[in-house]
Parts: sequence; structure tokens; C-alpha cells
Amino acid sequence: QSALTQPASVSGSPGQSITISCTGTSSDVGGYNYVSWYQHHPGKAPKLMIYDVSKRPSGVSNRFSGSKSGNTASLTISGLQAEDEADYYCSSYTGSSTWVFGGGTKLTVL
Amino acid sequence: QVQLVESGGGVVQPGTSLRLSCAASGFTFKSYAIHWVRQAPGKGLEWVAVISYDGSNKYYADSVKGRFTISRDNSKNTLYLQMNSLRAEDTAVYYCAKDRGPYGNSGFDYWGQGTQVTVSS
Repeated sequence: QSALTQPASVSGSPGQSITISCTGTSSDVGGYNYVSWYQHHPGKAPKLMIYDVSKRPSGVSNRFSGSKSGNTASLTISGLQAEDEADYYCSSYTGSSTWVFGGGTKLTVL
Repeated sequence: QVQLVESGGGVVQPGTSLRLSCAASGFTFKSYAIHWVRQAPGKGLEWVAVISYDGSNKYYADSVKGRFTISRDNSKNTLYLQMNSLRAEDTAVYYCAKDRGPYGNSGFDYWGQGTQVTVSS
């Protein structure tokens, strides 16, 4: 199973919005509505930000939103804040309880 | 609060074995599937294996199939990963991650902080 494709890096200024894409195939992203997004500060536990394409866990800011079109999912962060600076990973279900991740995107808040 | 604490990592030689543990607390461990996910140096996350809530179903990534075995002890709220025939490419931080459901097909909602495994001669 090949990794999902994410941009290596994105950046934005405080208050701006950014979008991170996650491209897969019809066997993963396009085939299931089970795409999740994780925020990862190095050395810490990854944190679930979005699940089932667009659902937000309790406690996650509504500045984070998710969507999907065809084989590409997207994470949008609006009103960028300094604490949003982190690595972001997408994941998708691929069937039979197996999963695939994206390569990760480093978000820099300028 | 949900806590997952990995242990058992270390530096080992190629071809040897290692067993990782993941101690869980703050939720009904026996009701949820649990995954192992790893991150090699400078690389992204890689899903490794999952075990269903009762241990009856286990699935593995092709990269570890036949070498790694996932298991759980619901009486001890602990998950394990037995890693045999270790290779340099198994060098990574290994995370355990709780699934949102019992079968491993709902996605990961809580993660541990990871344990480092280094395979080197």
C-alpha cells in the first residue's frame, strides 16, 4: 500500500487560512469516508483533529475543518495561530482493518 | 483521561528480537481495537498492525507480516508487539494508538508518546 501524497510543507501568517491536501486512490481516500487528520508536535503524542472526513472530536477548535473530493481529502485551518505550527498527517482506511498514512506536512506559522 | 504508555524499546542487532508493550488506562481497554504505528527517522507515519477488542482478529502491514506479532492481555490492559528478525529498516519510534471502535476500522483517537527502536550492528 503506497503512502498518501501530502505537500512537504505549507506556511501562512497568523490569522490567515491554509489548506493541506491528501491525495490517494479509489482504494483508499476515494473508496471510504474514513479519512482522519492528526497534528503532531515532535516528541509528543499525535492528536486527532478530524475524523470521518469532516467530523471534529470534542475539544478541537472549529478553526479546523476537513473535506473530500474524489481521491483527495483536505484539511483547512482558518485564523492561523502560532500554536498550530506542527506536522500534520492524513490517514485513510484501506479495507480489512488496514490503514495508510500520508507522508506528513510541516506547517510553519510565519 | 485516556493514557497509552509504550515501553520496551532499545538498541538491538539485526536479526534479533524485541517485545514492545503498551499499558492503557482511562478507558475500557477490552472494548476497543488497538493499533501499532511507527515513524522512521525523517519519515512519515506507517501503520504496522491492529488487533480487535477480543484479540480474535489481527492484521499486519506487508512490511512486517510474518516477522511481527500483535497480541493483548485484557486482564492487564496491555498491548504487545513481538518483533522478530529485526532489520535496519525497522528502526523507528513505535506508537500504540487506540481505535474508536472494537474492530480496528474506525480510526485512531488516542496515541501514546512512543518508544524508540534502533536496529543497528
